[in-house]
Amino acid sequence: EVQLVESGGGLVQPGGSLRLSCAASGFAFSIYEMNWVRQAPGKGLEWVSYMNSGDTIYYADSVKGRFTISRDNVKDLLYLQMNSLRVEDTAIYYCARDQYFGYWGQGIRVTVSA
Amino acid sequence: ETVLTQSPATLSLSPGERATLSCRASQNVNNYLNWYQQKPGQAPRLLIYDVSNRATGIPARFSGSGSGTDFTLTISSLEPEDFAVYYCQQRGDWPPITFGQGTRLEI
Repeated sequence: EVQLVESGGGLVQPGGSLRLSCAASGFAFSIYEMNWVRQAPGKGLEWVSYMNSGDTIYYADSVKGRFTISRDNVKDLLYLQMNSLRVEDTAIYYCARDQYFGYWGQGIRVTVSA
Repeated sequence: ETVLTQSPATLSLSPGERATLSCRASQNVNNYLNWYQQKPGQAPRLLIYDVSNRATGIPARFSGSGSGTDFTLTISSLEPEDFAVYYCQQRGDWPPITFGQGTRLEI
C-alpha cells in the first residue's frame, strides 16, 4: 500500500525556518517524481515544488530562493527546507507522488505567526 | 503562467442529479489536465488524469472530457459522498503547475 506521511510542521515566527519531511512507503520511491503542494486556510491548492528522480527541481515563484526541496532515496524521504518564512506561508503542506499527483499524504500544518 | 478558471464557483444539486463542472485554461495545456476531489479535512484525491482517464478505484459515474483550453468533469448521477470541492490542474505548460480555484459541489 502506498503511504506518504508528512512531519515537521508547527508554529514558527516570521523569518524563521522549518524542515518538512515526507516518509514514503509501499512503492519504489527513488524512481518517482515528487511534489509539495500547500493549502492556506480556507483557500485552494497551490503547487510549491517538484523534484524528479534525478536532479530536476522546480519551484513556485512565491517560494523561490526561500524553500529547498531534496530527497534521500536510501531512506525514502522527501524534504522541504523552508527559510525566511512569511505569514503568507501559513498552510497545510502536502507531499504528492508522480506527475499525476496520484497519491497524497495527509498533510502537515505550518503556522507562521508572531 | 497558465491560469485555470473553474465554473461555477458553487454548484447546488441533489443526489441523483447530473453535475457538470467546467475548467478553462488561459492557453493550450496539451491535454495534461487532471481533476481532484477534496472533502473537508482530507487530502485531495485524483479522479481523472489526462482529461478523460479515471484513476484507480474511481467510479464510472465520473467522467472527463475536453481538449485544448476547455475541459469538463461530469458526474452522471450524484451520490451523497460526491458533495465536495473539485479542482482542475494542469501541467501542459509548466513550471508552474497550476490549479483552478475550485468548484464547491453542495446539496
